[in-house]
Amino acid sequence: GENVEQHPSTLSVQEGDSAVIKCTYSDSASNYFPWYKQELGKGPQLIIDIRSNVGEKKDQRIAVTLNKTAKHFSLHITETQPEDSAVYFCAASKGGSYIPTFGRGTSLIVHP
Amino acid sequence: EAGVTQFPSHSVIEKGQTVTLRCDPISGHDNLYWYRRVMGKEIKFLLHFVKESKQDESGMPNNRFLAERTGGTYSTLKVQPAELEDSGVYFCASSQTPGQANYGYTFGSGTRLTVV
Repeated sequence: GENVEQHPSTLSVQEGDSAVIKCTYSDSASNYFPWYKQELGKGPQLIIDIRSNVGEKKDQRIAVTLNKTAKHFSLHITETQPEDSAVYFCAASKGGSYIPTFGRGTSLIVHP
Repeated sequence: EAGVTQFPSHSVIEKGQTVTLRCDPISGHDNLYWYRRVMGKEIKFLLHFVKESKQDESGMPNNRFLAERTGGTYSTLKVQPAELEDSGVYFCASSQTPGQANYGYTFGSGTRLTVV
């Protein structure tokens, strides 16, 4: 089955800096890669996703890149703000009705 | 639109006791999923309902876990008897149509279960 590795487990940055979270996956058939943000006391919320037919996708201060050959995908947050502090999860799936496999999560702390 | 609702939000029980978690999905969502996250680890799939039928229960750890979704509306997850390793946050998610995994789930806030 699919295996998703996520690094780092904890990331501490100063407000205004950039943050990068990296994930790798094992199943070359995976073609859908969502990212979720979990704030304290809340459930994970989808913030951005990418499909295997594109290499990069941006939405304001967040972007996701995908390298299918290397089976890597990354989340980039620019100009971080304290409200970006949360646990971020990457996931990979074969799309359709396939159940996604999640990474272990990255706790991002943005210091004011 | 109301989101996915889970309760209780927290539960502390002793080893050997029984606990029942409840999930109310978004109205009209046929697909309901249960997940669990043990501290510091991945969000792990437990099972998937389509309406009242179990579509995939390959992630259920053992027969101490029983999930039901009578009438295809809310779902319950019972742990009986609870063991220490069952501690974690149990998430429920729902989606509207098969294949909605392509478009992400709507998760509830989770139930934090602590077995002492």
